[in-house]
Amino acid sequence: RKEVEQDPGPFNVPEGATVAFNCTYSNSASQSFFWYRQDCRKEPKLLMSVYSSGNEDGRFTAQLNRASQYISLLIRDSKLSDSATYLCVVNGAGGSYIPTFGRGTSLIVHP
Amino acid sequence: NAGVTQTPKFQVLKTGQSMTLQCAQDMNHNSMYWYRQDPGMGLRLIYYSASEGTTDKGEVPNGYNVSRLNKREFSLRLESAAPSQTSVYFCASSGSYNEQFFGPGTRLTVL
Repeated sequence: RKEVEQDPGPFNVPEGATVAFNCTYSNSASQSFFWYRQDCRKEPKLLMSVYSSGNEDGRFTAQLNRASQYISLLIRDSKLSDSATYLCVVNGAGGSYIPTFGRGTSLIVHP
Repeated sequence: NAGVTQTPKFQVLKTGQSMTLQCAQDMNHNSMYWYRQDPGMGLRLIYYSASEGTTDKGEVPNGYNVSRLNKREFSLRLESAAPSQTSVYFCASSGSYNEQFFGPGTRLTVL
């Protein structure tokens, strides 16, 4: 089993839709969790940290489910500009503090 | 405040040539990382440096060497480039909360 797994998609949604991605991790001792956004041929950029209590930033909500070992990202009222690849990152997934990246979920928002 | 900078942005090498990729950060971060990203493979960690004076292997270190020159700079060297090293290389740094910040990447082609 891969340490951090994501559905590669693509998720193809219309503008205004709500879409959710999950990311599962294998090491129950993992300590910190993040969502990054990566546009084509660009560097990954931090979107949100994921806290145990969940957190929200505008249209984006991230949640952590330690019991089932997954994190989620919910995007409400999707915009064309949300089209990108969303990467989840787990620190401690491999038993050390170093970060492990999922392969990413592709989102395409169409008019 | 430039964040993380990388040079060069593009490079073409012939098999067997050597080169050094440069990375610098101005955020006073302790940890720095080198990744490569290939289509369908996601980001893979080559080497990382938890603090000035220390370096450790990541998932795919073969064919690479690194130097943590000081707290700001972390370089990646290819001693004898091979076509399998054709990739996009990203440098990143992180501070106390493990949030990573990436440079713009180096697109390397080995012929």
